[in-house]
Amino acid sequence: EVQLVESGGGLVQPGGSLRLSCAASGFTFSSYEMNWVRQAPGKGLEWVSYISSSGSTIYYADSVKGRFTISRDNAKNSLYLQMNSLRAEDTAVYYCAREGTVKNWFDPWGQGTLVTVSS
Amino acid sequence: QSVLTQPPSVSGAPGQRVTISCTGSSSNIGAGYDVHWYQQLPGTAPKLLIYGNSNRPSGVPDRFSGSKSGTSASLAITGLQAEDEADYYCQSYDSSLSGSRVFGTGTKVTVL
Repeated sequence: EVQLVESGGGLVQPGGSLRLSCAASGFTFSSYEMNWVRQAPGKGLEWVSYISSSGSTIYYADSVKGRFTISRDNAKNSLYLQMNSLRAEDTAVYYCAREGTVKNWFDPWGQGTLVTVSS
Repeated sequence: QSVLTQPPSVSGAPGQRVTISCTGSSSNIGAGYDVHWYQQLPGTAPKLLIYGNSNRPSGVPDRFSGSKSGTSASLAITGLQAEDEADYYCQSYDSSLSGSRVFGTGTKVTVL
């Protein structure tokens, strides 16, 4: 079964850091592009970051550029999101999602991990 | 700030047909990029519903259909059922924003 499981969320103070992880199983992780998508409480979906299968190409949404870093370890079947200089507006459920092989749809998604930025 | 605009809500009685629009621009849908749709049931992660404008993944009922024309796309649900009550999002790619995958604003479907 193809599965993505996020971890690492929690409560952090403004200006703090947090590292999210996404463990992949049931497919050849190294062959797929991956993304992080977030959803603030009661709000819509917001794409956060993309990483190519090899890790050589990376993109970020303007809202997180310079503060967040996406990475992956294909040997460990894992995706990461290092989040620094966190702000209240970064409070959200963060999902990792696999990108389609031909076009950029997202399937599957993990169950999400909640990040709360508050003092 | 989403670049794809959807109506905040649509509603219909069981058995009826509802449609959700997704309006973009010349840098995303109008540029020929595919549109994908997701269903998000309350308290759960989004699930792929339609990919490549009009294709259904295995297991998605044929009550759901997608189409695309010009700078817009649509999702139709025919024979509306109570379990279809959820949030729906469109998604595409935007060439004006480096590497940017973009989502629609989201639509809440209510079954009356």
